[in-house]
Amino acid sequence: SVLTQSPGTLSLSPGERATLSCRASQSVSSSYLAWYQQKPGQAPRLLIYGASNRATGIADRFRGSGSGTDFTLTISRLEPEDFAVYYCQLYDASPMYTFGQGTKLEI
Amino acid sequence: EVQLVESGGGLVQPGRSLRLSCATSGFTFDDYTMYWVRQTPGKGLEWVSGISWDSGSTIYADSVKGRFTISRDNAKNSLFLQMNSLRPEDTALYYCAKGRFGVVSYDFEYWGRGTLVTVSS
Repeated sequence: SVLTQSPGTLSLSPGERATLSCRASQSVSSSYLAWYQQKPGQAPRLLIYGASNRATGIADRFRGSGSGTDFTLTISRLEPEDFAVYYCQLYDASPMYTFGQGTKLEI
Repeated sequence: EVQLVESGGGLVQPGRSLRLSCATSGFTFDDYTMYWVRQTPGKGLEWVSGISWDSGSTIYADSVKGRFTISRDNAKNSLFLQMNSLRPEDTALYYCAKGRFGVVSYDFEYWGRGTLVTVSS
């Protein structure tokens, strides 16, 4: 499967709501879809696994949803530290792990 | 606190070899799958290889199959990546990552800070 993220860049302000999209080229199991946050000079950090489960220590303003081919990461009220690049990632049984190209969330 | 620390990167000529290491702490290493993932400005994030808790299963991306070998030493809580026949397109920041399960993980729970590999003459 190929993962396509949109938009490429999202410009918002602190306090606003962010909606990031990840579309798979074919229907996938929700169990296999994850989201990561990456800040400059840092490694990616797991935010969401299984499409909707928050990873350890992740704030509840981050919410993952979706099924089939369309998945969404929603950040309900942006904090200054949320401005980063976000990637979705898919596992398939080839086995293979595929990443989307990323969405840059900027102020 | 989970810690993953990669080492072994550097500048290497095409066709030569390099061995990456990842020292871990803060979790029971031999309970989990481990992975290597690389990142370049042009191609983004790319999964490279994975290994089950007991080394019974190893998997590779097509781009490195036959050239790279993943291994682990559970007694030393360490992960390795032997990279042979290196190509310029292998130039990347290589991350060590921990899976959430022991045999197959669907995602990467914790990551190291990475080690830079540059393949150039």
